[in-house]
Amino acid sequence: AQSVTQLGSHVSVSEGALVLLRCNYSSSVPPYLFWYVQYPNQGLQLLLKYTTGATLVKGINGFEAEFKKSETSFHLTKPSAHMSDAAEYFCAVSAPYLGSNFGNEKLTFGTGTRLTIIP
Amino acid sequence: DAGVIQSPRHEVTEMGQEVTLRCKPISGHNSLFWYRQTMMRGLELLIYFNNNVPIDDSGMPEDRFSAKMPNASFSTLKIQPSEPRDSAVYFCASSLPWVGGGDGSPLHFGNGTRLTVT
Repeated sequence: AQSVTQLGSHVSVSEGALVLLRCNYSSSVPPYLFWYVQYPNQGLQLLLKYTTGATLVKGINGFEAEFKKSETSFHLTKPSAHMSDAAEYFCAVSAPYLGSNFGNEKLTFGTGTRLTIIP
Repeated sequence: DAGVIQSPRHEVTEMGQEVTLRCKPISGHNSLFWYRQTMMRGLELLIYFNNNVPIDDSGMPEDRFSAKMPNASFSTLKIQPSEPRDSAVYFCASSLPWVGGGDGSPLHFGNGTRLTVT
């Protein structure tokens, strides 16, 4: 079984300030971790993912996240917030299965964090 | 790349009516997913198809909901009869398979259908 907890359903930061969105996961096997972003009236789109290898992963729009196994965390950061970053952000976890061709059906999403940017 | 296309974008209907939501996945993607998003329950996976075959429909809330994928380029989600509690945004998403569990191919979402049942 796997689960994701996003701390803070709403986060507000000033334009130019650091963005930190928190995600903790639970998984019985080594996880694959994802951050998706949802802009108003749109579907979710992938920001970045961690599968294996380097624990610091970079995504689109200047976002990055670090997989910390010891803390079971995958927090999303951006050094300097921009007004266009205002959106809802979802952390998700999945567990790849050796020999399986499937994976996204095992994806578990967090409840989302709404990011507001203050001018 | 046209992306995942859903129609209609908005649907308003009265309780008891049949509702059909449509989805065209990205060409070449052989996995298709229907999700429902509400404020109360967040994002829920309703059903998942692989190569047009329903693999897991355990998320379908009840028999009023049905989904089909007659071919690789089209899927429908039908609600009959509809109820006010079905009001939500319904998303279709498609992806490539995770070959051998290794690559984490992302989901590609459509823009959703906002369903309102009065």
